[in-house]
Amino acid sequence: QKEVEQDPGPLSVPEGAIVSLNCTYSNSAFQYFMWYRQYSRKGPELLMYTYSSGNKEDGRFTAQVDKSSKYISLFIRDSQPSDSATYLCAMSGGSYIPTFGRGTSLIVHP
Amino acid sequence: SQTIHQWPATLVQPVGSPLSLECTVEGTSNPNLYWYRQAAGRGLQLLFYSVGIGQISSEVPQNLSASRPQDRQFILSSKKLLLSDSGFYLCAWSVDSVEQYFGPGTRLTVT
Repeated sequence: QKEVEQDPGPLSVPEGAIVSLNCTYSNSAFQYFMWYRQYSRKGPELLMYTYSSGNKEDGRFTAQVDKSSKYISLFIRDSQPSDSATYLCAMSGGSYIPTFGRGTSLIVHP
Repeated sequence: SQTIHQWPATLVQPVGSPLSLECTVEGTSNPNLYWYRQAAGRGLQLLFYSVGIGQISSEVPQNLSASRPQDRQFILSSKKLLLSDSGFYLCAWSVDSVEQYFGPGTRLTVT
């Protein structure tokens, strides 16, 4: 079993939809949970990160962590075609060295 | 503001040839530096990280090596490339935080 599992997709949604992206993990030592967005042939861009359990909101993006279930989510409200990208989850413990998921490809069509 | 540069952007090299990829960071001091490889359809694989000049930690046994000759310069090298070395190479930096900032990447094709 991989430490971080993420469905590669692709996930195709219409513009304006609410998108839910998810990752599961097995290492209970993970404390920091990050979401990166990667456009095709570009480097990943950090969207947001959370520490321990709970929710964090930034504009149209909400990150949610459930440590009891070892499950994290990223919600995108009012999705736009410009949100089409690969979304990578990442997690780390106190060393700050992250373990990445494979990424989920999101396609938002007009 | 901080900026990270990588070059070259694209590289095509024959099997058995040497490799040198360079990464430089501007606008910050004593960053932690990282080299990742991203193969098609796979996640980011950490290859090396460095917490200071001359301090390199290797995460994966391979025919690659890394060096940090200056505070904000990180170099990835190989003496003889293998077909399996093809991929998208990413450099990243951080400063005592989980927040990592990535460069634009180098797409390497070994033929």
